[in-house]
Amino acid sequence: TQLLEQSPQFLSIQEGENLTVYCNSSSVFSSLQWYRQEPGEGPVLLVTVVTGGEVKKLKRLTFQFGDARKDSSLHITAAQPGDTGLYLCAGARVGNAGNMLTFGGGTRLMVKP
Amino acid sequence: NAGVMQNPRHLVRRRGQEARLRCSPMKGHSHVYWYRQLPEEGLKFMVYLQKENIIDESGMPKERFSAEFPKEGPSILRIQQVVRGDSAAYFCASSPFRPGQGASPLHFGNGTRLTVT
Repeated sequence: TQLLEQSPQFLSIQEGENLTVYCNSSSVFSSLQWYRQEPGEGPVLLVTVVTGGEVKKLKRLTFQFGDARKDSSLHITAAQPGDTGLYLCAGARVGNAGNMLTFGGGTRLMVKP
Repeated sequence: NAGVMQNPRHLVRRRGQEARLRCSPMKGHSHVYWYRQLPEEGLKFMVYLQKENIIDESGMPKERFSAEFPKEGPSILRIQQVVRGDSAAYFCASSPFRPGQGASPLHFGNGTRLTVT
């Protein structure tokens, strides 16, 4: 059972199109992180959202954290082939020390030129 | 400015052999996490360690799997008597300890791809 559900699981679009990826949970997280992973490599952090309702922009990527801190979305404007990859959301539960991340199943994006 | 280093990148073992996966965290990072990833899936938490201590091993199978992070040297994920179902990519991540500042980002290595034949 996935604590964090990502949708869609797969997405294939043409260059220049817009898209939104969703990350949903019934649990509340202290923060949520988005990572991108390319084949043969480890995930790389894109952004961390902490406050309910927070919106962060990273060039053509817009990240939003839900008001109740249970869900998040990633919107990409004018997608480019370089955006191709696996997008992972991860919810953080801060423990007594360090942090514990629970990952969603990922959205695999392919942007065709 | 080395990132998280994992070796080997690829490891092939026959059923019943032992697999040892190594992870050197980023300089200054005292927290190490191991995750497992199956093809076309996300990352599943296995174990979280600090120097010489296992903090949370709730995601690690109780049999055949063990992990350590000694005072000196890399963290080791050890799988004894491997089976075909152990084939996966194993990722290590590290983070600094920032008490009271919420979740700090994880820095991932490029993984070890274990194939059990």
